[in-house]
Parts: sequence; structure tokens; C-alpha cells
Amino acid sequence: SQQGEEDPQALSIQEGENATMNCSYKTSINNLQWYRQNSGRGLVHLILIRSNEREKHSGRLRVTLDTSKKSSSLLITASRAADTASYFCATPPGSSYKLIFGSGTRLLVRP
Amino acid sequence: DADVTQTPRNRITKTGKRIMLECSQTKGHDRMYWYRQDPGLGLRLIYYSFDVKDINKGEISDGYSVSRQAQAKFSLSLESAIPNQTALYFCATSDRGAENEQFFGPGTRLTVL
Repeated sequence: SQQGEEDPQALSIQEGENATMNCSYKTSINNLQWYRQNSGRGLVHLILIRSNEREKHSGRLRVTLDTSKKSSSLLITASRAADTASYFCATPPGSSYKLIFGSGTRLLVRP
Repeated sequence: DADVTQTPRNRITKTGKRIMLECSQTKGHDRMYWYRQDPGLGLRLIYYSFDVKDINKGEISDGYSVSRQAQAKFSLSLESAIPNQTALYFCATSDRGAENEQFFGPGTRLTVL
């Protein structure tokens, strides 16, 4: 069963706009990670937020984590056409070193 | 050169054939993983290995087997391929002691006819 579920499944925005994606998970976690996948390629790690953190920034990325609601959001500011990709959240359930991936959000940034 | 490589990149085979997908890494990581991805879906874990003598089943190990020949090499085998194993397969690595940030290979696109 899926540990993480992203919402929305697909998102289409204009270049320059902000994109927000949400992730919900089921079990307790030590951290939550976001990955990007360009079409048909391997995933690339974007950012990790620990369970004791509420917000984290990396360049144009802002991630929040609400452990009480078991949810996270990824905000990409001032989007670019090159941000077009699928975005996945991933969590290690409990203290596991495995990662369970959500089904992803497909982001299209129109020039 | 890529840190995590997979061979072959594309493979078309027939039902019942034995197939091996290979993964090599130069990152020096102890942990290696095999995932499959179906169209429009996330990744599902097939097998994982935390060191050469450690092999563990993931969510969907039925119909697959693995071999960890060395720290740097982790192979996935389909003993008798079937059409519903048509998918994109990814190898990944992570470092011991780290927070399990994973590094992915480019993927193998497998089609079983």
C-alpha cells in the first residue's frame, strides 16, 4: 500500500507562477523527502525535511511538514519551463531505511 | 561518468525468457535497491540490500530474484518473464549512516511480449 499520496495528480501553470504540491502519509516518520523525475529518467533528490522540522528552504523550493496531520507540501516559486517534471514524496516508515514513494504529481510549466 | 549505471537501458523480450538487469555504482554506498515503476505511478520496492551479505524482499518481490555480487554491483533477475512485468526498472543507492537520501540510475525500460 502507498505510504505517501500526492495531491494534485497533475498541475498545469504558467511560467513565473508558483506551484504547490501536497503529500500525505500514514505512519510515523523520521524524515520526508521530495524527488523530481524528468520524463522516463531516474529520480533526483531535491530536499529532505526531518520530523522535528516544520519548514525548510532550498533555492526556489520551500517544504513544510505537519506531523500532526501527517502531511507535507512542496512549493516551487517563480516556476520555469525546466521545472516540468513529476514530483514524488518519499518516506521511510518508522525507523526503516527503506523509502516508500507516493504516486507523484505531474507538473507542466507552460512557457 | 554517471555514479549509478544500469544495463541494458532498453530490453524487449518474450514471455518465459530469463532476463538479468545489472546495476553498478561508484559512489561507495553500502545500500542498494531495485524498484519498478509503472506508467503514471510511483516506485515500488522489489528488493534491497544493505551490504553484500544482506538481501531483503520489498513490496513486490514475487517473480524476481537478486544477487549482490560485490559492494558495487546489484543484479535483478526475472526467472521467467511475463507481460505484466513490463515496466521501467530503477536501481538506487544510499549511504550507511545518512538519512537515506537515494541516488538513482537512469532506468531500464523492459518490455515483455
